[in-house]
Amino acid sequence: GAVVSQHPSWVICKSGTSVKIECRSLDFQATTMFWYRQFPKQSLMLMATSNEGSKATYEQGVEKDKFLINHASLTLSTLTVTSAHPEDSSFYICSARLQGAGDLYEQYFGPGTRLTVT
Amino acid sequence: GQNIDQPTEMTATEGAIVQINCTYQTSGFNGLFWYQQHAGEAPTFLSYNVLDGLEEKGRFSSFLSRSKGYSYLLLKELQMKDSASYLCASLDSNYQLIWGAGTKLIIKP
Repeated sequence: GAVVSQHPSWVICKSGTSVKIECRSLDFQATTMFWYRQFPKQSLMLMATSNEGSKATYEQGVEKDKFLINHASLTLSTLTVTSAHPEDSSFYICSARLQGAGDLYEQYFGPGTRLTVT
Repeated sequence: GQNIDQPTEMTATEGAIVQINCTYQTSGFNGLFWYQQHAGEAPTFLSYNVLDGLEEKGRFSSFLSRSKGYSYLLLKELQMKDSASYLCASLDSNYQLIWGAGTKLIIKP
């Protein structure tokens, strides 16, 4: 149980275009989802925390107008990278936290999306 | 400030035992997680400690000392597939995960 999927797995786009990444919790409801970015040989960097039905909370230094997050349902959150530039090329990973207090606040990770902006 | 420290890289031999240390300083503490991450893949959950002591799960064990702000992940009977990065993460008072930079473990035959 507790499977999280991401789509697409990888994407190549041209500079200036927008890319949408979907994150789905397949067999559980997730009131909270997290979006991370990871550059090569570096650790995970939290970009934003997404709560169902409300605005996302962005970490310092992350542009909310560039990285649009929508958490429209308990099983789906989307990240849209707008006007992508080569420096946005990275590995984007989402995670979902199980609803309820007995879940140890464990985060279940999606497989990640590798974005390359040319 | 919040800080998680773990070694950048470690090397061990197949069949041996390795201990990966992690020290943490976070605002509040609600537990310590260890995740395994293979190159190009997302992290996978290994262990969670919130009480002092050792938690054993097969070949992997995790230890926590809250008074010392210290944890370690112990891997026994190392296999080549254990070559990966191991991420230590502390759950702070807001139930946010604060991540370490990860320890790259290299297993040699």
